[in-house]
Amino acid sequence: NAGVTQTPKFQVLKTGQSMTLQCAQDMNHNSMYWYRQDPGMGLRLIYYSASEGTTDKGEVPNGYNVSRLNKREFSLRLESAAPSQTSVYFCASKGTGDQPQHFGDGTRLSIL
Amino acid sequence: GDSVTQMEGPVTLSEEAFLTINCTYTATGYPSLFWYVQYPGEGLQLLLKATKADDKGSNKGFEATYRKETTSFHLEKGSVQVSDSAVYFCALSDRGGYQKVTFGTGTKLQVIP
Repeated sequence: NAGVTQTPKFQVLKTGQSMTLQCAQDMNHNSMYWYRQDPGMGLRLIYYSASEGTTDKGEVPNGYNVSRLNKREFSLRLESAAPSQTSVYFCASKGTGDQPQHFGDGTRLSIL
Repeated sequence: GDSVTQMEGPVTLSEEAFLTINCTYTATGYPSLFWYVQYPGEGLQLLLKATKADDKGSNKGFEATYRKETTSFHLEKGSVQVSDSAVYFCALSDRGGYQKVTFGTGTKLQVIP
């Protein structure tokens, strides 16, 4: 059971570099989410997508862009990485109604 | 907007002690409530959920009751084990079209033998 798959698991970037974090789910969920997790701050929502073709800003969208490529895939792009974006990034998906979110294992990103 | 407040950690308990982690929420609608658990180096996993007032969610000895009158969803376990050491997140989900989920900041639990 794959669930939510994130790639890569680890990445080190230099300031100013760009990269895309990939996320795919195989549960036919409409909603997908990107969070970042920093020590002492819990999970903060970056962007979410309630359905294919729609995306909305969350709590901390600055410096990020997203693409809902199709129902399965939701990618997060850092155009010009900054040290403040060093974090653990989690992708999640959710079915309708009172279904819970399902999370990937995270991408640990360090920006030097 | 919606918000979730949970008790600050870390919480340190001896094995077999009773656990309570407090969680209160504010929501404009009638949300579903969840507890998630995160073990070191892993993503969040659903621990339990409740979808309407007075529902009790339970799993692996953990319980939480949806209290609409006090807007609370406290997590309890009668006898914790070392393997319960993790970070616990309270969350709510609105039932609207955007399916937005709001998390608390997490409570780290450490159980010592």
